Amino acid sequence: QKEVEQNSGPLSVPEGAIASLNCTYSDRGSQSFFWYRQYSGKSPELIMFIYSNGDKEDGRFTAQLNKASQYVSLLIRDSQPSDSATYLCAVLLYNFNKFYFGSGTKLNVKP
Amino acid sequence: SAVISQKPSRDICQRGTSLTIQCQVDSQVTMMFWYRQQPGQSLTLIATANQGSEATYESGFVIDKFPISRPNLTFSTLTVSNMSPEDSSIYLCSVMVEGSISQFAYQETQYFGPGTRLLVL
Repeated sequence: QKEVEQNSGPLSVPEGAIASLNCTYSDRGSQSFFWYRQYSGKSPELIMFIYSNGDKEDGRFTAQLNKASQYVSLLIRDSQPSDSATYLCAVLLYNFNKFYFGSGTKLNVKP
Repeated sequence: SAVISQKPSRDICQRGTSLTIQCQVDSQVTMMFWYRQQPGQSLTLIATANQGSEATYESGFVIDKFPISRPNLTFSTLTVSNMSPEDSSIYLCSVMVEGSISQFAYQETQYFGPGTRLLVL
């Protein structure tokens, strides 16, 4: 079983809609959770992280964490074509000081 | 955050040769990592580059194939040895940075370099 699971997509949404990206993790020792965006041919860039249950908002992005259900999600409001990219979910296990990455979800925002 | 540079940005190499990739960070960091990302795939951790000691390799990766140096807290190299076409990939350096999120709390985050695109013929 993989540490971090994501639907590979592609997830297609129209411009202006809300894109919802989901991620589940297996290790209850996971402490912090991260979302990275990776454009084709580029390296991953950090969007935001969350470590407490609930929602965390940053501009058009909202991360949601539910430790009891072991899932973390990323909502992108007012999706733009420039949001089209692969979104990687990552968890940090403090015991091992190591990040585990999901395989990524490809998002297509159609104009 | 951290500003990370990698050299070379891309290269085309012949099978059987070796390539050394350099990673430079603009600040001292404790933990540096090397990843591989093959086309359309997710990130695969090769090893953790430890300053002052041997790198810690993940399952499936060995020092003879991917020797790593970490002479100080701002620099590391990864060598891809005796290359074959299967080594064609993007190689990414990353660092873990501890940032303050409140007066008493810190959060480690990971930042990536721009990557080295390697094609082995």
